[in-house]
Amino acid sequence: KAGVTQTPRYLIKTRGQQVTLSCSPISGHRSVSWYQQTPGQGLQFLFEYFSETQRNKGNFPGRFSGRQFSNSRSEMNVSTLELGDSALYLCASSLDGTGSANYGYTFGSGTRLTVV
Amino acid sequence: GNSVTQMEGPVTLSEEAFLTINCTYTATGYPSLFWYVQYPGEGLQLLLKATKADDKGSNKGFEATYRKETTSFHLEKGSVQVSDSAVYFCALTGGSYIPTFGRGTSLIVHP
Repeated sequence: KAGVTQTPRYLIKTRGQQVTLSCSPISGHRSVSWYQQTPGQGLQFLFEYFSETQRNKGNFPGRFSGRQFSNSRSEMNVSTLELGDSALYLCASSLDGTGSANYGYTFGSGTRLTVV
Repeated sequence: GNSVTQMEGPVTLSEEAFLTINCTYTATGYPSLFWYVQYPGEGLQLLLKATKADDKGSNKGFEATYRKETTSFHLEKGSVQVSDSAVYFCALTGGSYIPTFGRGTSLIVHP
């Protein structure tokens, strides 16, 4: 079956712009989580959506937002981009949400965002 | 809050050597514990998991045992291969926990 698909793979944006990233989870998975990965901070949890509802949120400013559609596809948006937002953004899907205690996550390959 | 601490890398080994990557955690209650592996240019892949104390997760020759008394989940492999070179992440999750990942340990295996 198809894996987790993230688009686009690479993005270059200018400071102050906004960006939207997309994630299509594995078919049947209702939970989608987003992570920011940087060399300095490692993997930081952004938020989790389950059946179109935000279930958990990490410690990021309000410029970071997301949503989930009825087909479980998810988007995250970052407004007013800053240089420090340059990172690999990873999407992870799972069957059961709630941190995926039983099944773990399936991750996409990520979107590499560079802010200049 | 919850936390996961992994040993600093990189860990450099020769092929067929024994591997241990240490992972300790801090959490209330009974989280599930995971190891993920990330190859260059890719996302993380689930390697193994354990959902309760004394469980042993295993996959592709890798093993880790959930030790509640020492709050540890060390990753081991008896004989590493060059193809095992990657970054390994320990993580805890479950229940109401916000999933927490360690900083990752880079493994380099030389022929």
